[in-house]
Amino acid sequence: AQTVTQSQPEMSVQEAETVTLSCTYDTSENNYYLFWYKQPPSRQMILVIRQEAYKQQNATENRFSVNFQKAAKSFSLKISDSQLGDTAMYFCAFMDNNAGNMLTFGGGTRLMVKP
Amino acid sequence: DGGITQSPKYLFRKEGQNVTLSCEQNLNHDAMYWYRQDPGQGLRLIYYSQIVNDFQKGDIAEGYSVSREKKESFPLTVTSAQKNPTAFYLCASIPRGANVLTFGAGSRLTVL
Repeated sequence: AQTVTQSQPEMSVQEAETVTLSCTYDTSENNYYLFWYKQPPSRQMILVIRQEAYKQQNATENRFSVNFQKAAKSFSLKISDSQLGDTAMYFCAFMDNNAGNMLTFGGGTRLMVKP
Repeated sequence: DGGITQSPKYLFRKEGQNVTLSCEQNLNHDAMYWYRQDPGQGLRLIYYSQIVNDFQKGDIAEGYSVSREKKESFPLTVTSAQKNPTAFYLCASIPRGANVLTFGAGSRLTVL
């Protein structure tokens, strides 16, 4: 079974600065996807960014980028130019292509962006 | 607009009562999922269904039941056998061949 670990329960960052959230995972699979989801106080799950394991290039979506280290099974999220609206819970998640497209989630990191 | 509708948004029940949470999608997605979220924690899979009339247990299925009689509907029943049912419940769906889940807005169940 896959496991996803987020070692930072809480983090804070000043507005306009950069912050990196950590995620490690454990799997014996070679073909999978990794995701970062944002959950604001509304509790709606919002996809932030997605990485396909067979792609070496790190995914980027505007101010959000990842550092995907497949050998180390590490998948960190970098948020640049942090905004107040980035305040939320962030979840790292793993999807095995061969296991019913189920998502396995980490425990989450609560990010607070301070003005 | 296409999406997933979960109802009710908030639900209060007495201990020992069964309760059913509704999840309806008009996205024509094939697979549907139920996740449970406890305060300050990640999501854990309860049940999932990849086709009509078929479903599989997730990591924490004990005390829950589901049905998938229609493609667009995947209701979750929280039974009296569930020891600690107070939680936030999220439903999700995905079309065949895709890899991004769409989530509903969730249902908050409080057992008094």
